[in-house]
Amino acid sequence: SNGLTQPPSVSVAPGKTASISCGGSNIGSSSVHWYQQKPGQAPVLVIYYNSERPSGIPERFAGSNSGNTATLTISRVEAGDEADYYCQVWDGSRDHVFGTGTKVTVL
Amino acid sequence: QVQLVQSGAEVKRPGSSVKVSCTASGGTFSSYTISWLRQAPGQGLEWMGRIIPFVPKANYARKFQGRVTITADTSTNTAYMELSSLRSEDTAVYYCARTLGDPNYFDPWGQGTLVTVSS
Repeated sequence: SNGLTQPPSVSVAPGKTASISCGGSNIGSSSVHWYQQKPGQAPVLVIYYNSERPSGIPERFAGSNSGNTATLTISRVEAGDEADYYCQVWDGSRDHVFGTGTKVTVL
Repeated sequence: QVQLVQSGAEVKRPGSSVKVSCTASGGTFSSYTISWLRQAPGQGLEWMGRIIPFVPKANYARKFQGRVTITADTSTNTAYMELSSLRSEDTAVYYCARTLGDPNYFDPWGQGTLVTVSS
């Protein structure tokens, strides 16, 4: 999957749910990973293999993947969730590809 | 708990090379795979390549093939990324990251090293 498309920004009120999409041709046949990056910091893995959460990542973070869209869902959004989020896949031949990134703003 | 600590910021002239290091603590370094990635100012993430230290064998992204060399020293638990023929577009924060799974994901990441290419 080349050219993974994400919305540039998503705004959400505290306590509500944020959904971040990652679009690519037949991405549902790939394993998608998600990273959170706060300003001035290195990325942190929040979801791997579409829906698995690493140790220490809150259950509020969930992932799904089907068809041409993978989705990261953040429930009960908190101020500390404000960050850039990137999806990532293996392109099937040689390269890892990242999405364009989504800035999540907590209102 | 695996930790990756990278070398400090660099300023380089166009046409020169830069070598960034990434030292691991915790776990067994020789059993890791280490990837290098970069992020230009205000831009997204790019994967550059990876190395399996105990082999050692490196794989490179198409975009950087021929210009990047990734090596590892298991005696010091350190991986290196050298990028040659630098141009202004190579100005970026360079990250190392432990590489897991199949297909790969990256966890954890080093703190990043800013490389500035300027005349």
